[in-house]
Amino acid sequence: GAGVSQSPSNKVTEKGKDVELRCDPISGHTALYWYRQSLGQGLEFLIYFQGNSAPDKSGLPSDRFSAERTGGSVSTLTIQRTQQEDSAVYLCASSSDRDTEAFFGQGTRLTVV
Amino acid sequence: SQQGEEDPQALSIQEGENATMNCSYKTSINNLQWYRQNSGRGLVHLILIRSNEREKHSGRLRVTLDTSKKSSSLLITASRAADTASYFCASFYNQGGKLIFGQGTELSVKP
Repeated sequence: GAGVSQSPSNKVTEKGKDVELRCDPISGHTALYWYRQSLGQGLEFLIYFQGNSAPDKSGLPSDRFSAERTGGSVSTLTIQRTQQEDSAVYLCASSSDRDTEAFFGQGTRLTVV
Repeated sequence: SQQGEEDPQALSIQEGENATMNCSYKTSINNLQWYRQNSGRGLVHLILIRSNEREKHSGRLRVTLDTSKKSSSLLITASRAADTASYFCASFYNQGGKLIFGQGTELSVKP
């Protein structure tokens, strides 16, 4: 695609529900990153993929968070049993390889009520 | 943070003045990047400087890198109100594939 696409752009969910956030990277980009950004804060690293594998999952805050990437393309970040502290903007980025510039999507604003 | 800090956290200047932001990092790197974020959504890549480079220019942007001090600076010359945004440095942690961002500098340019 022309750019990194994230959906939905906004999501309001009730505490305890599961949510799935989707990231469609730029075609051909092998590296894909997920970040979380709370209001007025920096970017918190969650996970990155090289192809379909995730060499580093150390940033996932708890076992309620999981992510997968299939076909070296689309990635899904799943949050189970959402809590209010999960409310944030979730940003996805992709790059043509590790060690190059990353291109960001517009993010998904998640609000847990 | 895991990879480094930025300062200042916030900077307010008048249009036409220069703005300087600093970034420090902790591990070895292959390159260091600067990004800009408007309105808390997607980030836009500004410039990348490689570890064997000391200075790089792009339009009104000037980036320096001092690998001995593990620090970088971003200079925006002749600032404009449209430069108002948050600016982040980023580097690959321990030369691996994990791209880590600093906490950012919030720049406000007053007309």
